[in-house]
Amino acid sequence: GQQVMQIPQYQHVQEGEDFTTYCNSSTTLSNIQWYKQRPGGHPVFLIQLVKSGEVKKQKRLTFQFGEAKKNSSLHITATQTTDVGTYFCAGPLVKQKLVFGQGTRLTINP
Amino acid sequence: KAGVTQTPRYLIKTRGQQVTLSCSPISGHRSVSWYQQTPGQGLQFLFEYFSETQRNKGNFPGRFSGRQFSNSRSEMNVSTLELGDSALYLCASSALGTDGGYTFGSGTRLTVV
Repeated sequence: GQQVMQIPQYQHVQEGEDFTTYCNSSTTLSNIQWYKQRPGGHPVFLIQLVKSGEVKKQKRLTFQFGEAKKNSSLHITATQTTDVGTYFCAGPLVKQKLVFGQGTRLTINP
Repeated sequence: KAGVTQTPRYLIKTRGQQVTLSCSPISGHRSVSWYQQTPGQGLQFLFEYFSETQRNKGNFPGRFSGRQFSNSRSEMNVSTLELGDSALYLCASSALGTDGGYTFGSGTRLTVV
């Protein structure tokens, strides 16, 4: 069935190292959204990408939307302990149904 | 601007009972979606409501139902609870549906014993 796949499932890094999570959809998406969920918290919206090949930056975070609008990535430069959490991508595979990837759980060794 | 409010925050129920969870979206948001979050299955879509109409639903049994009121507040109901229904239930509101970002509430942690 239609789904959004995200890898890796877990990532442990040393503070200061970079981190990347990848998202792939089985279908072309009208947009891709990224969320962050801190341990014990709820998902918080980070950004939405709409255009083919779009790249957006938020401080140390860089988000990309693939040319075919079926894949996306989130890259964090020089991780900090505040980056700990689970990062989810999400896309509207079907109208009015936002489907989330399984998430990448990031842990950081200070 | 008040966020998305979910009540109650925690709930313990016995197998076979039913439960009703409530969600008040951000003022002006007419789209409300519900998700079930478990460690093994991630965020699973339950249903989406807009102006009191269910526009989409996920692959959950009929024991899971919901509704939305004219003030956009939404409720979801689970009848005949099973142990596997233990999860964090999250409500999210949006001004643009899937065309815009969702704002999630803090969730209701349901434990079925």
